[in-house]
Amino acid sequence: GAVVSQHPSRVICKSGTSVKIECRSLDFQATTMFWYRQFPKQSLMLMATSNEGSKATYEQGVEKDKFLINHASLTLSTLTVTSAHPEDSSFYICSASGAGSNQPQHFGDGTRLSIL
Amino acid sequence: DAKTTQPTSMDCAEGRAANLPCNHSTISGNEYVYWYRQIHSQGPQYIIHGLKNNETNEMASLIITEDRKSSTLILPHATLRDTAVYYCIVRGNTGGFKTIFGAGTRLFVKA
Repeated sequence: GAVVSQHPSRVICKSGTSVKIECRSLDFQATTMFWYRQFPKQSLMLMATSNEGSKATYEQGVEKDKFLINHASLTLSTLTVTSAHPEDSSFYICSASGAGSNQPQHFGDGTRLSIL
Repeated sequence: DAKTTQPTSMDCAEGRAANLPCNHSTISGNEYVYWYRQIHSQGPQYIIHGLKNNETNEMASLIITEDRKSSTLILPHATLRDTAVYYCIVRGNTGGFKTIFGAGTRLFVKA
């Protein structure tokens, strides 16, 4: 089946640091990639949608200057949390899918970000 | 907002079939019904999807009502490893194929 690799799986860093998370589709070309954030005991919250070669579309309330998304190729998208603060600590999950509503999304295993 | 309604939690005995319902009364004609599950501290796992016909794969069966306003995910022989949160999602080209998660159903499979 389709595999999405997310790296790193866990990050612990100091407040003010910028953190980059990578999301790769290993065996298929991902027309669209999605980034989610999940707080404890809550559901996934969509942060942004990105299509290869174009700017990401952010959901309401998500700061685009805070969460930089780059989707440079059909197999790689990155999320950079800039100047991270403790309130940015969360579980970040990416997903990727091919074109069309008949294509399932495949999810990475998530990145647990802890800001001290 | 999510376009689906699911029970908050369900129990199932190990070895029995688990039937998870989902209401999606506002589903559009071009929207598919997808099911995912999330085991604690992992990314969601794709299970199955369908448009209007019933679907079956190695993991589960999906039964969609004729009016498409509801569906049921069936795990034929639940095991302890099926304990997870199950999400029913409708997805189509409205809104750019986004997948919006609701609260899901927390399924507990008990020995």
